[in-house]
Amino acid sequence: KQEVTQIPAALSVPEGENLVLNCSFTDSAIYNLQWFRQDPGKGLTSLLLIQSSQREQTSGRLNASLDKSSGRSTLYIAASQPGDSATYLCAVDTSGSRLTFGEGTQLTVNP
Amino acid sequence: GAGVSQTPSNKVTEKGKYVELRCDPISGHTALYWYRQSLGQGPEFLIYFQGTGAADDSGLPNDRFFAVRPEGSVSTLKIQRTERGDSAVYLCASRLDMNTEAFFGQGTRLTVV
Repeated sequence: KQEVTQIPAALSVPEGENLVLNCSFTDSAIYNLQWFRQDPGKGLTSLLLIQSSQREQTSGRLNASLDKSSGRSTLYIAASQPGDSATYLCAVDTSGSRLTFGEGTQLTVNP
Repeated sequence: GAGVSQTPSNKVTEKGKYVELRCDPISGHTALYWYRQSLGQGPEFLIYFQGTGAADDSGLPNDRFFAVRPEGSVSTLKIQRTERGDSAVYLCASRLDMNTEAFFGQGTRLTVV
């Protein structure tokens, strides 16, 4: 059974700082991994999708990496802004039929 | 529509009542998912549809929960004899296939009183 862990559970940084969010998973036989952000009381917004054959994906100030063999992914956020404050969720697709989510990292960027 | 649409956005019901939650996926997306999210937790898988059929319903917690997708587009999640423990946000997602991004709706907040 796939298990996904996200560390840290919460993170508070000053504006402008670069930061890294971590995601680890127990079963390395994955199809892909997706990062989402969730604002309070809202649904999930897709940020990046990394296929199992890829090492990283970039979108603007976001860069996600994948090391399938070690069961790890990181989400790097450059030059953080207060608008980046949200909960970031990592989800792994192992079977092609479902995404297994971590508990999320709650990020606060202070002006 | 442009995104995944869920209705209602909020539902308050009395314990023991029946509720239906609706999901309109992105047009053309054959895969549809239902998840449940409690406060401070990650989404928990309930059921996955590929077209009209439930390809994986192993996440449904018990036989009070049922979901349909009769024409391979709109899906309805049905909960019978609701209990206070069913209170959560119910999220729906769709994607074109397993190699593409999943897109989520805004969710239905269900409160059982």
